[in-house]
Amino acid sequence: DQQVKQNSPSLSVQEGRISILNCDYTNSMFDYFLWYKKYPAEGPTFLISISSIKDKNEDGRFTVFLNKSAKHLSLHIVPSQPGDSAVYFCAIRTSGSRLTFGEGTQLTVNP
Amino acid sequence: NAGVTQTPKFRVLKTGQSMTLLCAQDMNHEYMYWYRQDPGMGLRLIHYSVGEGTTAKGEVPDGYNVSRLKKQNFLLGLESAAPSQTSVYFCASRRRGSNQPQHFGDGTRLSIL
Repeated sequence: DQQVKQNSPSLSVQEGRISILNCDYTNSMFDYFLWYKKYPAEGPTFLISISSIKDKNEDGRFTVFLNKSAKHLSLHIVPSQPGDSAVYFCAIRTSGSRLTFGEGTQLTVNP
Repeated sequence: NAGVTQTPKFRVLKTGQSMTLLCAQDMNHEYMYWYRQDPGMGLRLIHYSVGEGTTAKGEVPDGYNVSRLKKQNFLLGLESAAPSQTSVYFCASRRRGSNQPQHFGDGTRLSIL
């Protein structure tokens, strides 16, 4: 029973446009949500997070939105740049000190 | 500023061999984690530790053992490697506190023949 799901394995956008990455979860009790970015042959790096008391958190070009009623999390990147091409994982604190990760979405930003 | 360092970066084993993966962090983090990543899947938690001398099972602990004898090191052991354990292994650490992100090493690519 998958608690965290990223339904799109890949996404391709043009440079300068908006990238929207999505993540769905199953349990309305989850309270802390994160996005990580991963380049090939490197470990994931923390990008942005949001707690359940908020519905939006912004950091430069990156904005995370949380829709608790729909149990849906999204990451917006505006404007997208070729250097943003990477695999993006959503991660959710599912119990105590543990995170559960989605399958990842490969973002490709075309010049 | 090393962060989280994993050793080795690559390894090929034969079925039945044993080995230990080392994770070292220099950030004085209390919590440490071992994950595996397989194609088309997210990172799955193998074991984790909330402090020196303590360990706990994650989502996929079978076939692995861990030890946290020193705060800065977290070891992952495979006693008898199986082809199903071919994967990329990531270690992470984080500071104590409810909303602290995990910081990851660059991974160990392990192939079991």
